[in-house]
Amino acid sequence: ETGVTQTPRHLVMGMTNKKSLKCEQHLGHNAMYWYKQSAKKPLELMFVYSLEERVENNSVPSRFSPECPNSSHLFLHLHTLQPEDSALYLCASSQDLGQGFNEQFFGPGTRLTVL
Amino acid sequence: GQNIDQPTEMTATEGAIVQINCTYQTSGFNGLFWYQQHAGEAPTFLSYNVLDGLEEKGRFSSFLSRSKGYSYLLLKELQMKDSASYLCAVRDGDYKLSFGAGTTVTVRA
Repeated sequence: ETGVTQTPRHLVMGMTNKKSLKCEQHLGHNAMYWYKQSAKKPLELMFVYSLEERVENNSVPSRFSPECPNSSHLFLHLHTLQPEDSALYLCASSQDLGQGFNEQFFGPGTRLTVL
Repeated sequence: GQNIDQPTEMTATEGAIVQINCTYQTSGFNGLFWYQQHAGEAPTFLSYNVLDGLEEKGRFSSFLSRSKGYSYLLLKELQMKDSASYLCAVRDGDYKLSFGAGTTVTVRA
């Protein structure tokens, strides 16, 4: 595997379900991100981790719970979601936080539908 | 809050040139990125500007004017595979990217 991978690619869940999204980066990066992309709207930053420590929680509801067990893996645990949470969830990674180029590399996303 | 504006849609003919404008009003500025996103795929990096001027990379060029809060992405010799959404993003601090809603470019034969 190369780059940033995400599983599953598609997920349909009911409002009472609990599910998890997984992201893995094979780039040796130290920072990882979760974004939400809704139709016709800008990407919204949800969470940022640097060296497994959360550095940003962008006013995200508690029904979304991130976990970063090591610098290569990032999870997003989902519970009691609402239909308006249906969106494409994108994971990204970058070498570091801080000054300089620090391009973010994105995974293909998980298309989530909440019924 | 951050405000990143770009046109919603543009259409052009194969072989032509298209310019996608992006204007921004942000609390800080630490670089501007352009990404390409094909439907159902990951956004992929196209260009980065942090100083005023033009950056050229093959058929793609990007321009920045920090005093005007303005950038454009220029796509030359359009090909059918260039049909995609183009995202303008401004980094206003160490790492936080604020994105525009994206411009969908359709290339017609």
